[in-house]
This record gives sequence, structure tokens and C-alpha cells, in this order.
Amino acid sequence: GQQVQQSPSSLVLQEGENAELQCNFSSTATQLQWFYQSPGGSLVSLLSNPSGTKHTGRLTSTTVTKERRSSLHISSSQTTDSGTYLCAIGGSGGSNYKLTFGKGTLLTVTP
Amino acid sequence: EAGVTQSPRYAVLQEGQAVSFWCDPISGHDTLYWYQQPRDQGPQLLVYFRDEAVIDNSQLPSDRFSAVRPKGTNSTLKIQSAKQGDTATYLCASRTGDQDTQYFGPGTRLLVL
Repeated sequence: GQQVQQSPSSLVLQEGENAELQCNFSSTATQLQWFYQSPGGSLVSLLSNPSGTKHTGRLTSTTVTKERRSSLHISSSQTTDSGTYLCAIGGSGGSNYKLTFGKGTLLTVTP
Repeated sequence: EAGVTQSPRYAVLQEGQAVSFWCDPISGHDTLYWYQQPRDQGPQLLVYFRDEAVIDNSQLPSDRFSAVRPKGTNSTLKIQSAKQGDTATYLCASRTGDQDTQYFGPGTRLLVL
């Protein structure tokens, strides 16, 4: 089955620093999503980026499909960015659509 | 628009006990997913439905776990005889067929002693 590897497993930054999170996957994916999971456990979709570069706010994701990798860049980190960032890949769309998640990167931003 | 709701939020069991988790997806979402998330792991898909039909339950431990969505709306996930290894957060998510984004509920945190 599909496998998703995320690195680093954890990251500690001071407020204002930038973060770069990596995601590598084992097979071609037509869908790739980045999620944020708060310390309380709620999971929220940040970006859907199966290929190319996408920006939203302070987040930039770059996916190179043929190299099976994606990155998530967080600029000017804030303490409220602390939590776990999960990368997930999916196969074909429509009804036969399921996601395989990585283990996540735990980000801690200190004041 | 109300989000995905789940209940209970927490459950503590002894091994061998049964437990049911309930999920109410976003109105109009035809696809519903159940995930298991052990501590320090990513969510792992257990089963998913389109309307009332099971699309994939290959990762559902069928000897003790069952899931239903009888009217294609709410869903129940049941563990018949819980084991300590079932300790995890159980997440429900839903989506509409013409979009790829899955919307997650707050999860049910299960502790099996």
C-alpha cells in the first residue's frame, strides 16, 4: 500500500522563525493534502496541493509529483502555529477516494 | 453550517467491554470515513461509506469491529470486545462527492485499561 514519510518528526522554533516540513510518498498520488491537528486533537485541512506551488496566508506548499515529495513552508511562525502537521495522499477521485496519512511533524513555537 | 459531530468525546473501558461511537456528518455529504489514530501516529483508515454502502473496510478488524450507516447519514462504529491495543482516538470525517476535502469531527478518545 501507499506509504507517507514525514520529516522532521518534531521541530522547535522561536516565534518569527520559518519552518520547512517535508513529505515523501511511495507511489503516485493524484491528491495531496496538508492538515493541522491542534493539541486538543481536532484536524483541519490547510492546503490541497497535488502538484506545483500553492500559497495561503503564511503557508506555501510545493509538490513535485514525479519526485514524490511535497513541502510545507510556514513563514514568520507564531505560538498559535504549535501543533502537529500531517501530510496525506490520495488515489483517484470520486467515490473511490481515501487518504493515507504520515505520522506528522510536531511543531512547537516558543515565545 | 454545522460541522461533523461525534459522541462520546471520551470513553474509558476495561478489556472485554463493548463500546459504540456515533458520528453525524455534515448535511449533504455522501461519503463518510472512520479513522483510528493511535498516540503519536497519523490517522489510519478503518472503513468508509458512500451513502449507506461500504466502499472499503479492508482495514477494519472484522472479528471485533463493525460499522454501519443504515440511512446514508449518521454512522456508528462499534467495538465488541475491546483490547488495550484499541486505545486511540477515533475520528470521523465526511466529504461531498464532487470535492476532495475531508472535514473531520473532534474525535472520540478511547482508553482501554
